[in-house]
Amino acid sequence: EDKVVQSPLSLVVHEGDTVTLNCSYEVTNFRSLLWYKQEKKAPTFLFMLTSSGIEKKSGRLSSILDKKELFSILNITATQTGDSAIYLCAVDFVGGNKLVFGAGTILRVKS
Amino acid sequence: DAGVIQSPRHEVTEMGQEVTLRCKPISGHNSLFWYRQTMMRGLELLIYFNNNVPIDDSGMPEDRFSAKMPNASFSTLKIQPSEPRDSAVYFCASRIFNEQYFGPGTRLTVT
Repeated sequence: EDKVVQSPLSLVVHEGDTVTLNCSYEVTNFRSLLWYKQEKKAPTFLFMLTSSGIEKKSGRLSSILDKKELFSILNITATQTGDSAIYLCAVDFVGGNKLVFGAGTILRVKS
Repeated sequence: DAGVIQSPRHEVTEMGQEVTLRCKPISGHNSLFWYRQTMMRGLELLIYFNNNVPIDDSGMPEDRFSAKMPNASFSTLKIQPSEPRDSAVYFCASRIFNEQYFGPGTRLTVT
């Protein structure tokens, strides 16, 4: 059965801290891994990763994929209260169309 | 483009009533997904359509749930009869190639 596992389930940090969120997967016919940020509304797209070792970066957020060890990390540096959200990891399949989501990591950044 | 449009945004109903949720995908997107999100179970895929055809409905919890996509610009998710355990946020998402976008969700409360 295809599986996506995120850790930690929740995390509380102070502004300015750096956090690392983890996503591991066991799927057949892997195509890509996606990260979403969900605040009070719908998930919004952050990154799509298809190749190992190539870092994707957007401001203070960055992510990398390891297809050998079957995991990805999402780093957030110099966290701000606006980074508080649920971060969702999802996996996409070759020849398929649906995403399999992890349970998410709830991040709370305290001022 | 206005993005994925869902209605209503909030629905409160009594147990036993019929509920219909509506979704208009982004124009040109050929796949449409219905998800349900709760604190306990996270984000669950209920059903998805490719080119208006239902492909995988294995996530639909019971026969009380049904979904239709009569054309490329409209889909409905119906619950009949509704039960308190159906209370959740229901998201519709549409996709083209590797890009999937979520609608704002419908928050359903069944009392």
